[in-house]
Amino acid sequence: DTGVSQNPRHKITKRGQNVTFRCDPISEHNRLYWYRQTLGQGPEFLTYFQNEAQLEKSRLLSDRFSAERPKGSFSTLEIQRTEQGDSAMYLCASSAAGAGNTIYFGEGSWLTVV
Amino acid sequence: TQLLEQSPQFLSIQEGENLTVYCNSSSVFSSLQWYRQEPGEGPVLLVTVVTGGEVKKLKRLTFQFGDARKDSSLHITAAQPGDTGLYLCAGGSRNAGNMLTFGGGTRLMVKP
Repeated sequence: DTGVSQNPRHKITKRGQNVTFRCDPISEHNRLYWYRQTLGQGPEFLTYFQNEAQLEKSRLLSDRFSAERPKGSFSTLEIQRTEQGDSAMYLCASSAAGAGNTIYFGEGSWLTVV
Repeated sequence: TQLLEQSPQFLSIQEGENLTVYCNSSSVFSSLQWYRQEPGEGPVLLVTVVTGGEVKKLKRLTFQFGDARKDSSLHITAAQPGDTGLYLCAGGSRNAGNMLTFGGGTRLMVKP
């Protein structure tokens, strides 16, 4: 395992459709994070899991967004009824507990809503 | 809400010049990470600093964490075109599950 893996890397969807992104963290990492990044900005925190428990959710995560990590390994981020404002890069990251806050990012999933 | 301000936002320099990027906050962080990001890719970790006053060097890059753990700087000596990219600082809080707060980034272009 060489790092955090995300797929699909790119997704173009029509407004109103649902999309799902998958993240496979570094295998020994029990913490998993989702961030969103728009052009020209730094990443913004969306949500965080420790094992299968979702411990923190940002106000950015509207009720159209849902994230799961059912077995404490991979995670999915679903966006329902997509809007043009959802167009962004969705980044997944993972870390080990007590690792001095070192968080490693995947390559991201680009979403374009047309 | 913890905020991180990065400056400058944009920097265009000639190959061989030196530069410094600043990352400032009114909040105290348990750690500070610097990332570099290429277009269309995820951020790649450069360094993590955890102790106030800590200085770390990575070849031509020197990172410093402020004594009060509220600010940090990244200094690049003799910049090269390969240094071009978006540099992001991110503060970590142990009380918030290691969640990172990112600055807005500094977009660096090094011209040959």
